[in-house]
Amino acid sequence: NAGVTQTPKFQVLKTGQSMTLQCAQDMNHNSMYWYRQDPGMGLRLIYYSASEGTTDKGEVPNGYNVSRLNKREFSLRLESAAPSQTSVYFCASSEIGAGGKNIQYFGAGTRLSVL
Amino acid sequence: QKEVEQNSGPLSVPEGAIASLNCTYSDRGSQSFFWYRQYSGKSPELIMFIYSNGDKEDGRFTAQLNKASQYVSLLIRDSQPSDSATYLCAVSPDDKIIFGKGTRLHILP
Repeated sequence: NAGVTQTPKFQVLKTGQSMTLQCAQDMNHNSMYWYRQDPGMGLRLIYYSASEGTTDKGEVPNGYNVSRLNKREFSLRLESAAPSQTSVYFCASSEIGAGGKNIQYFGAGTRLSVL
Repeated sequence: QKEVEQNSGPLSVPEGAIASLNCTYSDRGSQSFFWYRQYSGKSPELIMFIYSNGDKEDGRFTAQLNKASQYVSLLIRDSQPSDSATYLCAVSPDDKIIFGKGTRLHILP
């Protein structure tokens, strides 16, 4: 039982290059999320998907696109990477229960550097 | 804008003492409250969640919630060096979670 799996773990890009971060969960959760974490900024939501086939913008969506490929997989794409996108990216999944119970489980993270 | 505020620290606590971490939130409609622990270079892991006013205890950890004051706290009893980490307070007003920036806790041996 792997939980939430993210690939790759590390990536270095040049400005203007594109790449896709992959995320898969095996907990049969409906909701999936992409966050970025920068020093002193905490976790900021980029995009989320409440269920298969739906996606919504979070706090910092500019420069990113997402795809909810199926219930298990939620990918994050950088079309033209910029140095400001240097960050640690976390994927998370959850099953929202009664009363707003939203316990999120995180992947190990992707450390991205854009030069 | 919905916000979750925490003191960034570092909070230094002697080994064996009680560590007290605090958090305030702005959205009165929030229903669920969480504490995540994050070791350096690792991903956040859930250690406590609380939905009702009052205290919730789990081992050495106690979460306290006061919705009237919009205040959540985490107490760690008998602090150990392995408790040294960043603690993230998180609040769920809807189908998303808003995280605070975290408090760095350092347990002094």
